[in-house]
Amino acid sequence: DAKTTQPPSMDCAEGRAANLPCNHSTISGNEYVYWYRQIHSQGPQYIIHGLKNNETNEMASLIITEDRKSSTLILPHATLRDTAVYYCIVRVAYGNTPLVFGKGTRLSVIA
Amino acid sequence: NAGVTQTPKFQVLKTGQSMTLQCAQDMNHEYMSWYRQDPGMGLRLIHYSVGAGITDQGEVPNGYNVSRSTTEDFPLRLLSAAPSQTSVYFCASRGTPVETQYFGPGTRLLVL
Repeated sequence: DAKTTQPPSMDCAEGRAANLPCNHSTISGNEYVYWYRQIHSQGPQYIIHGLKNNETNEMASLIITEDRKSSTLILPHATLRDTAVYYCIVRVAYGNTPLVFGKGTRLSVIA
Repeated sequence: NAGVTQTPKFQVLKTGQSMTLQCAQDMNHEYMSWYRQDPGMGLRLIHYSVGAGITDQGEVPNGYNVSRSTTEDFPLRLLSAAPSQTSVYFCASRGTPVETQYFGPGTRLLVL
């Protein structure tokens, strides 16, 4: 799987958009970008994934650059409950390859 | 659906003891896996299984055994517990075509 690079930590004011960047410059054509988050002491939670088009669901939006070398996860109106570690993972979808976690970005939402 | 369940929630062992961490899922997922997470660290893959009777090693398999006799269950066995195995253990499963991986609540293990 391609390696990803994320900032170790970020702060965001409550009610503002949180934009979490991820670099994946060695991504292959058949690899998807996945985002998971882990709220303190809980098991990780799936957020969103995409291949090359921008994606949106009830939790977040995923913006992938045209060259696919980087992406941004957007939480449109961050709340205190969004404080968590966010993991950006690149892997081939619809196969048996494991999900490999890096260190992620610790997002702190501040009141 | 209960999703992914893990037992026990918390366990204290003495060095050298053995135990089995239980994991079950009721979503009929073929793929299951075990991770460990040490304080302040990311998740590291221990073992995984792509279906009943099939298992494979992850990044940190030493000291752990797994088996997959049914689709629902994927137990993790510690053969001879060591203090270095003090960690939080997460079990996960995923199915196709939806590639969302679901995690259990974790088992907190302390080895003295």
